[in-house]
Amino acid sequence: QKEVEQNSGPLSVPEGAIASLNCTYSDRGSQSFFWYRQYSGKSPELIMSIYSNGDKEDGRFTAQLNKASQYVSLLIRDSQPSDSATYLCAVKNNTGGFKTIFGAGTRLFVKA
Amino acid sequence: DVKVTQSSRYLVKRTGEKVFLECVQDMDHENMFWYRQDPGLGLRLIYFSYDVKMKEKGDIPEGYSVSREKKERFSLILESASTNQTSMYLCASSWRATNEKLFFGSGTQLSVL
Repeated sequence: QKEVEQNSGPLSVPEGAIASLNCTYSDRGSQSFFWYRQYSGKSPELIMSIYSNGDKEDGRFTAQLNKASQYVSLLIRDSQPSDSATYLCAVKNNTGGFKTIFGAGTRLFVKA
Repeated sequence: DVKVTQSSRYLVKRTGEKVFLECVQDMDHENMFWYRQDPGLGLRLIYFSYDVKMKEKGDIPEGYSVSREKKERFSLILESASTNQTSMYLCASSWRATNEKLFFGSGTQLSVL
């Protein structure tokens, strides 16, 4: 079982719709959770971090965390073609040192 | 702006060659990391360092070594390159705080022929 699992996609949504990206993780001791966006041919950049159960909103992005279910999600409202990218879920157990474990990523395609 | 600079964007080497990938960061970060990224496998951690002259193995260290002689520079070394080391290599750095985010370099696409 992979430590961080994501559906590889592609996930295709029309412009203006809500895109929902999901991630599950296996380490129950994980404490920090991140979503990185990676455009084709570019390096990942952080768009959201979340550390406690519930929702965290930042502009059009909402991260959701459910530690009991070991589940993290990212919602993108009013999706734009510029949101088309691969979204990487990343998880960190702060007591286990400095390692951040990444999922393989979900490709999102927003159709104009 | 944080800058993580990788010395080469594209590199082509032959099997058996010794390969050096260099990474420099300008934000005085304590932690530095080397990942490789392959389609369908995501980012996998090769080695990391949390201080000068310190290094820790990641999940896939076989065939690689690292060097951190100065705080701002972290080098990845392929002692004898093999074709299965053809990949995108990403360097990242971060502050030591437990919830720190990673800042990535632009990556080096290495092809071993």
